[in-house]
Amino acid sequence: ETGVTQSPTHLIKTRGQQVTLRCSSQSGHNTVSWYQQALGQGPQFIFQYYREEENGRGNFPPRFSGLQFPNYSSELNVNALELDDSALYLCASSLLAGAYEQYFGPGTRLTVT
Amino acid sequence: AQSVTQLGSHVSVSEGALVLLRCNYSSSVPPYLFWYVQYPNQGLQLLLKYTSAATLVKGINGFEAEFKKSETSFHLTKPSAHMRDAAEYFCAVSVPSGGYQKVTFGTGTKLQVIP
Repeated sequence: ETGVTQSPTHLIKTRGQQVTLRCSSQSGHNTVSWYQQALGQGPQFIFQYYREEENGRGNFPPRFSGLQFPNYSSELNVNALELDDSALYLCASSLLAGAYEQYFGPGTRLTVT
Repeated sequence: AQSVTQLGSHVSVSEGALVLLRCNYSSSVPPYLFWYVQYPNQGLQLLLKYTSAATLVKGINGFEAEFKKSETSFHLTKPSAHMRDAAEYFCAVSVPSGGYQKVTFGTGTKLQVIP
């Protein structure tokens, strides 16, 4: 059973650019959530996808968008990058039912200059 | 709305001493509660979870936590700290919210273990 993987590990972008981060969920999991973790903070919920549909969203603007694919891999897209978008982006997979135990990937460190 | 408060952003203990990391939550419905650990430059790893069964929950690496509804607390303990326990610990609460489980994390507590 493979765990949650994310790519790339690190990324440097310029303000105003667009970025796509990728996540491969744990085998058998049909739900993926994305979190933003700023330095020294706890993870903040961005959104969740279940069976390719967004079914929950945190307090993030529409320039944060996502996709979930039939094989349960997913993407996080961020348009018009701002300096405050610099953070660790974490992907977590789970089964929607049950105790909602989430399994996290190692994260993508995004730096916006 | 739910929330999580972790008291103490930094905690230092001596190797072999008791570890106590505090977490208080607020929720209008019975929650699920979790403790995660994060090592530098890594993702979060689940330590333990409370899902309305036993109030004393045992997790990995010798950690345990007790759910106290009257105190709205879910403190994490370990009888004897080891150097490898040095990391950041996050408490999280999960409640149903319009068709999905909304998870809210605390701001974290960095545990330093002194030799």
